This record gives sequence, structure tokens and C-alpha cells, in this order.
Amino acid sequence: DAGVIQSPRHEVTEMGQEVTLRCKPISGHNSLFWYRQTMMRGLELLIYFNNNVPIDDSGMPEDRFSAKMPNASFSTLKIQPSEPRDSAVYFCASSLGWGYYGYTFGSGTRLTVV
Amino acid sequence: SQQGEEDPQALSIQEGENATMNCSYKTSINNLQWYRQNSGRGLVHLILIRSNEREKHSGRLRVTLDTSKKSSSLLITASRAADTASYFCATDGDNQGGKLIFGQGTELSVKP
Repeated sequence: DAGVIQSPRHEVTEMGQEVTLRCKPISGHNSLFWYRQTMMRGLELLIYFNNNVPIDDSGMPEDRFSAKMPNASFSTLKIQPSEPRDSAVYFCASSLGWGYYGYTFGSGTRLTVV
Repeated sequence: SQQGEEDPQALSIQEGENATMNCSYKTSINNLQWYRQNSGRGLVHLILIRSNEREKHSGRLRVTLDTSKKSSSLLITASRAADTASYFCATDGDNQGGKLIFGQGTELSVKP
């Protein structure tokens, strides 16, 4: 299994531009999570899906952030417009089901907004 | 709100020594998990311990859980330079609706 696949690995963009991060979870995993990691705030859960349905998006910082999961094998996290304070590493993770299984994380997307 | 808090924040030991990291949390949990993160990489799941378990082993890893004290510890025995990484505890709490909340992590440095 190739694991959780995220793209791009690195993204540098100018303030105000739209950014789209992509994630392909492990086949058969029915839960998908988006986390953001910064030195100041550590790992923050942004949103998670179960069976492609958003369950909790209370961690999404602002309306500029949106996430979709159109099918079981693909999810996107979009920031529009981007701001310098959005600079962070964004991780996608998937799991067979919360409560009983650990998460498998992707390698992350390092986002820099200048 | 942050659930798990690791202690110490940083730990430096010699190869062959044991490393112990602690995690405290605030509310009741379904399970507690430990993850490792090498610099510039994603997190790797190490071990999951359920609330009704007290101890679990996986290779050189030993995890304990004390729900009365709301604390857990991760012991790495006979450490190796390759164990150098950040270690995070994460809690799946009763009232967290399936969220896994991570602590700030312990930075472990194992010197050869």
C-alpha cells in the first residue's frame, strides 16, 4: 500500500492567492482527517470526515478555509484567499475508524504564503 | 482545547539508555495513542492503549496508562540513534466526538 498520499509536498504562494491541497487516503479507510502543524500551536485538527461526510469542522479557522471529500479516495483542503499566517505544514490522515485504530498520516504539505 | 501534555519537552540520552516520556490529560478517554515524528516527516502511529488496559508492549516500546491519574508513559528501552524524533501522545476522548487531540510532544535526542 502506498500509504496516504498528499500533494503538493511544498507550496509557495503569494498572499491573496487560492491554495488547494490534495489527499488520497488509504483504500478501505473510512475516516479522513486534516491537521495543521505550526511551532506555536502544535498539531490542530481542522476537519474530519467519516464515510465522505464532514463530521466536525469546528477547527477550521475561518471561512477562508473549506474542505471537500467528493468520494472515498480523494479530499481537498482549499484556502481562499491565503494569508501569511496560514503558513504551516498541513497533514492529511486516514483511519479504519476512530476509537479503535490509529491514524496513518501523509507526508504533509509545507505551505508558505508570502 | 488541548488534551494531552507531554513531559519533558526535550530529552537527551546516550545510545543504549532507556527513555521515558510522560503524558497527562484532562478528561475521560476511550483510548490514548503514541506517535513518532521524524524531522520533516509525517507522524507514525506507534501504539494504542484502550481505557480498560493498563500496559501494552510493542518491541522495545512499553506504554502504561493510569486512568485514575489521567496519565500515560512511553518507555523506549535500549535506545538507538534512529529513535531520535519527536514523540506525541494523542487522546480519543469520551466527549471529543471522534477527534484525536495531540499534545505538544517530547523531543528525544539519542546520541551515539
